[in-house]
Amino acid sequence: ILNVEQSPQSLHVQEGDSTNFTCSFPSSNFYALHWYRWETAKSPEALFVMTLNGDEKKKGRISATLNTKEGYSYLYIKGSQPEDSATYLCAFISSPSGSARQLTFGSGTQLTVLP
Amino acid sequence: GAGVSQTPSNKVTEKGKYVELRCDPISGHTALYWYRQSLGQGPEFLIYFQGTGAADDSGLPNDRFFAVRPEGSVSTLKIQRTERGDSAVYLCASSAEGMEADTQYFGPGTRLTVL
Repeated sequence: ILNVEQSPQSLHVQEGDSTNFTCSFPSSNFYALHWYRWETAKSPEALFVMTLNGDEKKKGRISATLNTKEGYSYLYIKGSQPEDSATYLCAFISSPSGSARQLTFGSGTQLTVLP
Repeated sequence: GAGVSQTPSNKVTEKGKYVELRCDPISGHTALYWYRQSLGQGPEFLIYFQGTGAADDSGLPNDRFFAVRPEGSVSTLKIQRTERGDSAVYLCASSAEGMEADTQYFGPGTRLTVL
């Protein structure tokens, strides 16, 4: 059973603060890590797909890093805005065996940005 | 372009009834996935289609759950003899070719409530 852990479970920050949260995953048989943002009543939105150790990805004020050897990824938000309030999910794919393509999700970090 | 759509957005049913949930993937995407999110948890994989065939159904919880994709596009998730524990948000996703590093694009989900 693959275990993907996210911390913290929830987070409240003030507008303008920078913040980060963690995704831990099994370091063996790593293939890819996905980050999603999920706002209430909307579809989960894909942020990043990361495959290489040391990968860094950036999209506007949001960035992510990946360490496959120790099994963690960090998501950073610079200068948080109220519209960043959402649940941030990471999802792991292990080395493919047969036709396996399933994402194994963490339980998410719920971010609230206070104006 | 149009994203993944799911119908209905909400479904309330009584214990023991049969329900069907529909997913329209992004046009041209060959891979389609169903996930289920229970309260307080991340989405959990149910089944993955490549074209018309179920390539991986290892996440279906029991034989009351069944899914089809007869023409390789629209998919229907069918739940027989619903139980209160089936209450969850059912998410559908599609990706271009079903490769591990492909982004999976999600629909807004169907919230199923079994009374």
